[in-house]
Amino acid sequence: KAGVTQTPRYLIKTRGQQVTLSCSPISGHRSVSWYQQTPGQGLQFLFEYFSETQRNKGNFPGRFSGRQFSNSRSEMNVSTLELGDSALYLCASSLALAGADTQYFGPGTRLTVL
Amino acid sequence: EDKVVQSPLSLVVHEGDTVTLNCSYEVTNFRSLLWYKQEKKAPTFLFMLTSSGIEKKSGRLSSILDKKELFSILNITATQTGDSAIYLCAVLGGGSQGNLIFGKGTKLSVKP
Repeated sequence: KAGVTQTPRYLIKTRGQQVTLSCSPISGHRSVSWYQQTPGQGLQFLFEYFSETQRNKGNFPGRFSGRQFSNSRSEMNVSTLELGDSALYLCASSLALAGADTQYFGPGTRLTVL
Repeated sequence: EDKVVQSPLSLVVHEGDTVTLNCSYEVTNFRSLLWYKQEKKAPTFLFMLTSSGIEKKSGRLSSILDKKELFSILNITATQTGDSAIYLCAVLGGGSQGNLIFGKGTKLSVKP
């Protein structure tokens, strides 16, 4: 069974631009969660989508948004990029909601904001 | 403010030692506590705990939750160099839209 895939793997943007990251979950998984990891803040939870609805949400500004499609693939969008948005963005999928089931992580997208 | 605190922040042991990693939390509307292992890039899910006093085991790893004292421990027996990693604890809590709050992690180094 294929694992969680994320595209692109690496991305370089400049301040003020916007970016869209994609996550394809394991087949049959309906939950996709997004995380931001930085050396200073560690791993932080962004949001979770389940059956196309946002179910859980972390403490990030509205510039961070997401959506999930009917095939469970999810996209995360960051608008008006700031230098501090440089991070590794991870997504994870699970059959049930995060916190209630085993999660499987993708390899991440490394975003650099210049 | 909700928070998850892990201790120690780092730990160096020798192969064969037993280690105990700690995770304490103050999170509103606790739902579950999760442990992850992160070696290079993406974390690997280890355990999910929701009930006090019920030990979860997977090989040499085990974990237990105390909801009265608001903490969890992760035990690793007979450590191996392959156990070297950052171990992350996270707690799912919050209102109608839950928030998964992570600790800073414990960096475990196992020396041969």
